[in-house]
Amino acid sequence: EVQLLESGGGLVQPGGSLRLSCAASGFTFSNYAMSWVRQAPGKGLEWVSSISGSGSSTNYADSVKGRFTISRDNSKNTLYLQMNSLRAEETAVYYCAKGGSLQFCSAGSCYPPVFDYWGQGTLVTVSS
Amino acid sequence: DIQMTQSPSSLSASVGDRVTITCQASQDISNYLNWYQQKPGKAPKLLIYDASNLETGVPSRFSGSGSGTDFSFTISSLQPEDIATYYCQQYKDLPLTFGGGTKVEIK
Repeated sequence: EVQLLESGGGLVQPGGSLRLSCAASGFTFSNYAMSWVRQAPGKGLEWVSSISGSGSSTNYADSVKGRFTISRDNSKNTLYLQMNSLRAEETAVYYCAKGGSLQFCSAGSCYPPVFDYWGQGTLVTVSS
Repeated sequence: DIQMTQSPSSLSASVGDRVTITCQASQDISNYLNWYQQKPGKAPKLLIYDASNLETGVPSRFSGSGSGTDFSFTISSLQPEDIATYYCQQYKDLPLTFGGGTKVEIK
């Protein structure tokens, strides 16, 4: 059974940093791309970042590029999101999501086309 | 960025009713579209991929269709457990984008 368990959320001041983790089990972690998707309170879903199975390829939403870093440790079956210079509007539940069995490539970038399993999410609150 | 516009934003229907949600892309995305269900307080769940393919284990009352810019998602006979918000998502290009969601309630 696929399980994704996020941790690391909490209260942080604007301009602060936080690192999220997502512990994966039930599948061969290194074979699948992984992603972070966030959801502000009462709002819709927003893709944040994706990383290939090997970790060699990453993609980011423009809104977080240069401030967030996605990474993974395949020996620990764990996905990470390092978030720096956080803003109040980034208060959200952050979900990690497993990619499907295939990557999709368009305009020189490859990324998971679908999120087939999701964790329960971890709440990040950016406030003074 | 490819904008995904869902309609309606909410609907109320009776148990057993046929419910249809539409999703329009701002440009041609072929069939590169997925549908998710999010129940209150829960994580999203994949229901439909590649516009019309039912994910394993998802009840057959759910279906999807469309190609290009216009897509639809249908629940053939609404059940109480289908109370949720439904989202479409395109993967034609980065950034991956979602529709604004359609909240389905029981009348």
